Amino acid sequence: EAAVTQSPRNKVTVTGGNVTLSCRQTNSHNYMYWYRQDTGHGLRLIHYSYGAGNLQIGDVPDGYKATRTTQEDFFLLLELASPSQTSLYFCASSSTGNTEVFFGKGTRLTVV
Amino acid sequence: SQLAEENPWALSVHEGESVTVNCSYKTSITALQWYRQKSGEGPAQLILIRSNEREKRNGRLRATLDTSSQSSSLSITATRCEDTAVYFCATENNNNRIFFGDGTQLVVKP
Repeated sequence: EAAVTQSPRNKVTVTGGNVTLSCRQTNSHNYMYWYRQDTGHGLRLIHYSYGAGNLQIGDVPDGYKATRTTQEDFFLLLELASPSQTSLYFCASSSTGNTEVFFGKGTRLTVV
Repeated sequence: SQLAEENPWALSVHEGESVTVNCSYKTSITALQWYRQKSGEGPAQLILIRSNEREKRNGRLRATLDTSSQSSSLSITATRCEDTAVYFCATENNNNRIFFGDGTQLVVKP
């Protein structure tokens, strides 16, 4: 079973704060993704990566940075958090761009 | 995503009944995937159906694909309470991108 682990699972920060969400996959997958999920919007792609050192912009990238340090690790950075970034964040991985995507359990971020 | 859209937005059935979720999409695809997301969990794939396939089954699940009308359906027979979840369709294209719809909320009542 493919494994994608996110940390933390819950995070509360203040407006203007600095937040890093972490994701590790042990599937030897090349592709990793960061999504946000909000009621009425489904899953929206923030950033994704083809491999270590690679970064691709998704559909809702504003206010987010990401880094892929190794094949296993993908980080999402919010350097000046805003209340509009309150959301449920999912990390995911896949072996290629067009195969099954395996999701983590999600990180619930609240910006107050 | 505007590139994939499920309908209806919500469904409610009783255990044992059959149910169908529909998906329409707007781009040329290489495959279409169906995912299920239970409360408190990430989405999990149910079925992947490639553009040259018309039907795929997985136990009580049956997915169809009609590329001429750019539509797909996911049918669940003999529903159970544990089928309660949000169901997403996701389209794949030649640019290695996957686009998820906003999902259909299915509630299966005892």
